[in-house]
Amino acid sequence: EIVMTQSPATLSVSPGERATLSCRASQSVDSNLAWYQQKPGQAPRLLIYGASTRATGIPARFSGSGSGTEFTLTISSLQSEDFAVYYCHQYDNWPPLTFGGGTKVEIK
Amino acid sequence: QLQLQESGPGLVKPSETLSLTCTVSGGSISNTNYFWGWIRQPPGKGLEWIGSIYYSGNTYYNPSLKSRVIISVDTSKNQFSLKLSTATAADTAVYYCARHGRVGQWPVDYWGQGTRVTVSS
Repeated sequence: EIVMTQSPATLSVSPGERATLSCRASQSVDSNLAWYQQKPGQAPRLLIYGASTRATGIPARFSGSGSGTEFTLTISSLQSEDFAVYYCHQYDNWPPLTFGGGTKVEIK
Repeated sequence: QLQLQESGPGLVKPSETLSLTCTVSGGSISNTNYFWGWIRQPPGKGLEWIGSIYYSGNTYYNPSLKSRVIISVDTSKNQFSLKLSTATAADTAVYYCARHGRVGQWPVDYWGQGTRVTVSS
């Protein structure tokens, strides 16, 4: 099983500032890595796939990078609607599909 | 636009079987490019993949739950279903049905809204 580890668990950021979230895989997942945003009471929403490709309708302030075992999600200038929990997910090798434990982005 | 909708009891007694159905609309469950899966999220916790099924009936389960899980598909109704036996309080969670692609090809992209299931007497 590929274990996905996200850091930090909580990130406190002021609106307008940059947020950088990390995700590490226990073995290489190539570029088969996705990022999701989840708000309270909602299902996760796909933001990034292929490590760096934005999904349809996702604003350009969201960007992904990395390959192999180290990945980053950057939100260039946080908007009020961006405060949420973010998950990474590997689909390189399954079963099982696996997700990171999440990073909560909160208002500083 | 593809939509997935979970349905089933919101309360299950301990030791009983948790049963949920996902109805897919706006697309065919027989699309050869996709798999159909169940993912759950305990209160305040992260996401756990339970298992997935292909339209042909081939199933794939999380080893941690494999002994208790059965996923089935009904292509005539564009539905797939989850049965989780011998439920305990640890199975209390929001259960999502979702779509994803083949190994190394496509992530989970469409999700249902989720259904909260509580295991309690």
